Amino acid sequence: GQQLNQSPQSMFIQEGEDVSMNCTSSSIFNTWLWYKQDPGEGPVLLIALYKAGELTSNGRLTAQFGITRKDSFLNISASIPSDVGIYFCAFRGGGSEKLVFGKGTKLTVNP
Amino acid sequence: NAGVMQNPRHLVRRRGQEARLRCSPMKGHSHVYWYRQLPEEGLKFMVYLQKENIIDESGMPKERFSAEFPKEGPSILRIQQVVRGDSAAYFCASSPREREWFFGPGTRLTVL
Repeated sequence: GQQLNQSPQSMFIQEGEDVSMNCTSSSIFNTWLWYKQDPGEGPVLLIALYKAGELTSNGRLTAQFGITRKDSFLNISASIPSDVGIYFCAFRGGGSEKLVFGKGTKLTVNP
Repeated sequence: NAGVMQNPRHLVRRRGQEARLRCSPMKGHSHVYWYRQLPEEGLKFMVYLQKENIIDESGMPKERFSAEFPKEGPSILRIQQVVRGDSAAYFCASSPREREWFFGPGTRLTVL
Protein backbone atom coordinates (compact mmCIF):
# COMPACT_ATOMS: atom_id res chain seq x y z
CA GLY A 1 0.00 0.00 0.00
CA GLN A 2 0.92 3.63 -0.08
CA GLN A 3 3.42 4.52 2.62
CA LEU A 4 3.80 7.94 4.16
CA ASN A 5 6.62 8.75 6.58
CA GLN A 6 6.36 11.88 8.68
CA SER A 7 9.21 13.20 10.80
CA PRO A 8 10.07 14.05 13.41
CA GLN A 9 7.53 12.35 15.66
CA SER A 10 7.82 15.11 18.24
CA MET A 11 9.58 18.41 18.74
CA PHE A 12 10.25 20.53 21.81
CA ILE A 13 11.24 24.10 21.02
CA GLN A 14 11.49 27.51 22.62
CA GLU A 15 9.09 30.27 21.73
CA GLY A 16 10.47 32.28 18.86
CA GLU A 17 12.34 29.43 17.22
CA ASP A 18 11.67 28.22 13.70
CA VAL A 19 10.37 24.71 13.11
CA SER A 20 10.59 22.35 10.16
CA MET A 21 8.87 19.01 9.59
CA ASN A 22 8.54 16.85 6.53
CA CYS A 23 6.80 13.94 4.89
CA THR A 24 8.03 11.49 2.31
CA SER A 25 6.11 8.89 0.36
CA SER A 26 6.89 5.79 -1.61
CA SER A 27 4.77 6.93 -4.56
CA ILE A 28 4.07 10.15 -6.39
CA PHE A 29 0.93 12.12 -5.62
CA ASN A 30 -1.15 14.97 -6.93
CA THR A 31 -2.05 16.77 -3.75
CA TRP A 32 -0.35 17.38 -0.44
CA LEU A 33 -2.13 18.92 2.52
CA TRP A 34 -0.96 20.01 5.93
CA TYR A 35 -3.33 19.94 8.91
CA LYS A 36 -3.06 20.94 12.55
CA GLN A 37 -5.04 19.15 15.25
CA ASP A 38 -5.61 20.50 18.74
CA PRO A 39 -6.55 18.11 21.57
CA GLY A 40 -10.16 17.01 21.35
CA GLU A 41 -10.71 18.72 18.02
CA GLY A 42 -10.74 17.83 14.35
CA PRO A 43 -7.86 18.60 11.97
CA VAL A 44 -7.80 22.11 10.58
CA LEU A 45 -6.47 22.65 7.07
CA LEU A 46 -3.37 24.86 7.04
CA ILE A 47 -2.01 24.64 3.51
CA ALA A 48 -2.91 22.72 0.34
CA LEU A 49 -0.38 22.07 -2.44
CA TYR A 50 -1.33 20.93 -5.94
CA LYS A 51 1.74 21.31 -8.16
CA ALA A 52 5.23 19.85 -7.98
CA GLY A 53 7.63 22.51 -6.76
CA GLU A 54 4.82 24.71 -5.45
CA LEU A 55 5.75 26.87 -2.47
CA THR A 56 2.87 28.34 -0.50
CA SER A 57 2.73 30.55 2.57
CA ASN A 58 -0.01 31.14 5.11
CA GLY A 59 1.15 33.72 7.64
CA ARG A 60 4.11 32.25 9.51
CA LEU A 61 3.65 28.90 7.79
CA THR A 62 5.36 27.89 4.57
CA ALA A 63 4.98 24.57 2.79
CA GLN A 64 6.46 23.13 -0.37
CA PHE A 65 5.45 20.28 -2.65
CA GLY A 66 8.64 18.47 -3.63
CA ILE A 67 9.71 18.50 -7.25
CA THR A 68 9.64 14.69 -7.36
CA ARG A 69 6.06 14.75 -6.00
CA LYS A 70 7.12 12.33 -3.28
CA ASP A 71 7.74 14.73 -0.44
CA SER A 72 6.66 17.92 1.26
CA PHE A 73 7.86 20.07 4.13
CA LEU A 74 6.19 22.52 6.47
CA ASN A 75 8.06 25.37 8.14
CA ILE A 76 6.77 27.50 11.00
CA SER A 77 8.69 30.67 11.68
CA ALA A 78 8.93 32.50 15.00
CA SER A 79 6.88 29.94 16.90
CA ILE A 80 4.37 31.03 19.55
CA PRO A 81 2.66 29.03 22.32
CA SER A 82 -0.56 28.59 20.31
CA ASP A 83 1.41 26.66 17.69
CA VAL A 84 1.32 23.71 20.09
CA GLY A 85 -0.52 20.75 18.61
CA ILE A 86 -0.13 17.82 16.26
CA TYR A 87 0.68 18.54 12.63
CA PHE A 88 -0.32 16.01 10.00
CA CYS A 89 0.62 15.76 6.38
CA ALA A 90 -1.79 14.03 4.04
CA PHE A 91 -1.73 13.17 0.38
CA ARG A 92 -4.24 12.30 -2.22
CA GLY A 93 -3.18 9.86 -4.91
CA GLY A 94 -4.16 9.82 -8.53
CA GLY A 95 -7.50 8.19 -9.12
CA SER A 96 -8.32 8.07 -5.44
CA GLU A 97 -10.49 10.46 -3.47
CA LYS A 98 -9.26 9.43 -0.07
CA LEU A 99 -6.57 11.16 1.92
CA VAL A 100 -3.72 9.15 3.42
CA PHE A 101 -2.38 10.69 6.63
CA GLY A 102 1.03 10.62 8.22
CA LYS A 103 1.32 9.73 11.91
CA GLY A 104 1.83 13.33 12.88
CA THR A 105 4.45 15.58 14.44
CA LYS A 106 3.67 16.64 18.00
CA LEU A 107 4.92 20.16 18.61
CA THR A 108 5.55 21.58 22.08
CA VAL A 109 6.51 25.24 22.44
CA ASN A 110 8.04 26.37 25.70
CA PRO A 111 7.34 30.02 26.54
CA ASN B 1 -21.06 29.48 6.64
CA ALA B 2 -21.03 26.91 9.40
CA GLY B 3 -18.34 24.28 9.28
CA VAL B 4 -18.79 20.54 9.24
CA MET B 5 -21.09 19.53 12.10
CA GLN B 6 -20.88 16.24 13.93
CA ASN B 7 -22.97 14.87 16.72
CA PRO B 8 -22.82 13.63 19.27
CA ARG B 9 -19.37 14.84 20.31
CA HIS B 10 -19.08 12.03 22.83
CA LEU B 11 -20.85 8.68 22.77
CA VAL B 12 -20.64 5.89 25.31
CA ARG B 13 -21.95 2.45 24.44
CA ARG B 14 -21.82 -0.96 26.05
CA ARG B 15 -20.54 -3.92 24.09
CA GLY B 16 -23.20 -5.22 21.76
CA GLN B 17 -25.09 -1.95 21.42
CA GLU B 18 -25.40 0.13 18.29
CA ALA B 19 -23.66 3.46 17.69
CA ARG B 20 -24.98 6.06 15.27
CA LEU B 21 -22.74 8.97 14.33
CA ARG B 22 -24.06 11.92 12.36
CA CYS B 23 -22.34 14.36 10.05
CA SER B 24 -23.73 17.44 8.35
CA PRO B 25 -21.36 18.69 5.64
CA MET B 26 -20.62 22.30 4.94
CA LYS B 27 -23.24 24.08 2.88
CA GLY B 28 -22.77 23.37 -0.79
CA HIS B 29 -20.54 20.33 -0.22
CA SER B 30 -21.75 17.12 -1.79
CA HIS B 31 -18.84 14.86 -0.88
CA VAL B 32 -18.57 13.30 2.58
CA TYR B 33 -15.75 11.19 4.01
CA TRP B 34 -15.47 9.28 7.27
CA TYR B 35 -12.16 8.69 9.02
CA ARG B 36 -11.21 6.91 12.23
CA GLN B 37 -8.41 7.96 14.57
CA LEU B 38 -6.92 5.83 17.31
CA PRO B 39 -4.91 7.50 20.09
CA GLU B 40 -1.45 8.68 18.97
CA GLU B 41 -2.27 7.76 15.38
CA GLY B 42 -3.11 9.56 12.17
CA LEU B 43 -6.54 9.42 10.60
CA LYS B 44 -7.49 6.32 8.63
CA PHE B 45 -9.91 6.52 5.73
CA MET B 46 -13.12 4.53 6.05
CA VAL B 47 -15.66 5.53 3.42
CA TYR B 48 -16.42 8.19 0.80
CA LEU B 49 -20.01 9.06 -0.11
CA GLN B 50 -21.86 11.41 -2.37
CA LYS B 51 -25.59 12.02 -2.08
CA GLU B 52 -27.33 8.60 -2.05
CA ASN B 53 -24.19 6.83 -3.26
CA ILE B 54 -21.27 5.04 -1.67
CA ILE B 55 -18.27 5.79 -3.86
CA ASP B 56 -15.44 4.08 -1.99
CA GLU B 57 -15.84 1.94 1.13
CA SER B 58 -12.46 0.26 0.91
CA GLY B 59 -11.44 1.37 4.40
CA MET B 60 -14.56 0.24 6.18
CA PRO B 61 -14.78 -3.13 7.94
CA LYS B 62 -17.03 -5.50 6.03
CA GLU B 63 -19.08 -6.45 9.05
CA ARG B 64 -21.02 -4.32 11.54
CA PHE B 65 -20.16 -1.00 9.86
CA SER B 66 -22.36 0.84 7.39
CA ALA B 67 -22.65 4.39 6.10
CA GLU B 68 -25.21 6.39 4.22
CA PHE B 69 -25.67 9.90 2.89
CA PRO B 70 -29.35 10.32 2.04
CA LYS B 71 -30.81 12.90 -0.29
CA GLU B 72 -32.06 14.83 2.72
CA GLY B 73 -30.39 14.96 6.09
CA PRO B 74 -26.98 14.19 7.50
CA SER B 75 -24.62 11.38 6.67
CA ILE B 76 -24.80 8.52 9.17
CA LEU B 77 -22.05 6.12 10.19
CA ARG B 78 -23.60 3.13 11.92
CA ILE B 79 -21.73 0.57 13.97
CA GLN B 80 -23.71 -2.44 15.07
CA GLN B 81 -22.83 -4.68 18.02
CA VAL B 82 -19.95 -2.49 19.09
CA VAL B 83 -16.81 -4.02 20.59
CA ARG B 84 -14.09 -2.41 22.70
CA GLY B 85 -11.84 -2.14 19.65
CA ASP B 86 -14.33 0.27 18.07
CA SER B 87 -13.42 2.90 20.68
CA ALA B 88 -11.86 5.75 18.73
CA ALA B 89 -12.47 9.25 17.43
CA TYR B 90 -14.53 9.28 14.24
CA PHE B 91 -14.16 12.28 11.98
CA CYS B 92 -16.25 13.39 9.08
CA ALA B 93 -14.89 15.60 6.30
CA SER B 94 -16.67 17.32 3.47
CA SER B 95 -15.43 18.66 0.17
CA PRO B 96 -16.96 20.67 -2.63
CA ARG B 97 -14.98 19.02 -5.38
CA GLU B 98 -12.27 16.66 -4.08
CA ARG B 99 -9.78 19.47 -3.80
CA GLU B 100 -9.93 20.58 -0.17
CA TRP B 101 -11.20 18.56 2.73
CA PHE B 102 -12.66 20.20 5.82
CA PHE B 103 -13.05 18.16 8.97
CA GLY B 104 -15.65 18.26 11.70
CA PRO B 105 -14.85 18.21 15.43
CA GLY B 106 -15.30 14.45 15.65
CA THR B 107 -17.30 11.98 17.73
CA ARG B 108 -15.41 10.23 20.48
CA LEU B 109 -16.84 6.74 20.90
CA THR B 110 -16.13 4.84 24.07
CA VAL B 111 -17.23 1.22 24.32
CA LEU B 112 -17.48 -0.12 27.84
